Amino acid sequence: DGGITQSPKYLFRKEGQNVTLSCEQNLNHDAMYWYRQDPGQGLRLIYYSQIVNDFQKGDIAEGYSVSREKKESFPLTVTSAQKNPTAFYLCASCTGPSGANVLTFGAGSRLTVL
Amino acid sequence: AQSVTQPDIHITVSEGASLELRCNYSYGATPYLFWYVQSPGQGLQLLLKYFSGDTLVQGIKGFEAEFKRSQSSFNLRKPSVHWSDAAEYFCAVGRRGFQKLVFGTGTRLLVSP
Repeated sequence: DGGITQSPKYLFRKEGQNVTLSCEQNLNHDAMYWYRQDPGQGLRLIYYSQIVNDFQKGDIAEGYSVSREKKESFPLTVTSAQKNPTAFYLCASCTGPSGANVLTFGAGSRLTVL
Repeated sequence: AQSVTQPDIHITVSEGASLELRCNYSYGATPYLFWYVQSPGQGLQLLLKYFSGDTLVQGIKGFEAEFKRSQSSFNLRKPSVHWSDAAEYFCAVGRRGFQKLVFGTGTRLLVSP
């Protein structure tokens, strides 16, 4: 079955370390997204990419970086510049602009800074 | 700027009772509206969506929602709640051809026996 795979599901990091969260999709979707979820704050957009080798900042991009070298993959790096990285991170994908805006989500990755 | 308000942080409903979760939006263009559900520690699953046409839309798991343009609302309803409906529910707004969705802060549904 097609879907989105996020790994790892749980990740612990020491302060000052960079970590990379993986997101892979086999839905042949053009667009991919990273959201951050904190209790009581809903989902906030970090970065999104509508085509390979192109991506745009979302509302809270500071301290994060992404790449989109392949259509299937959209990894997120949480850098040491991110002041409060402990959160639940969700990756999503969607068909291109000509399609409906229906996002398909992965199961998420929970990052905890020790 | 577009925004979505879900005024209820928590709602408790008895099993078998009816449910209505509120969603109000602020959007300059004709909105696309969505309801998603999230079980603890999981991703989000689409319940239903409204793009145009009939303002009462049916979704999965027996849910429905009604778009009311005059009230800028898109409330989610279910006539009889099951214990398995306990989860967090998110309303979201977007528009055609622009795929950034704005999400509300969510409503956590608790179902009592």
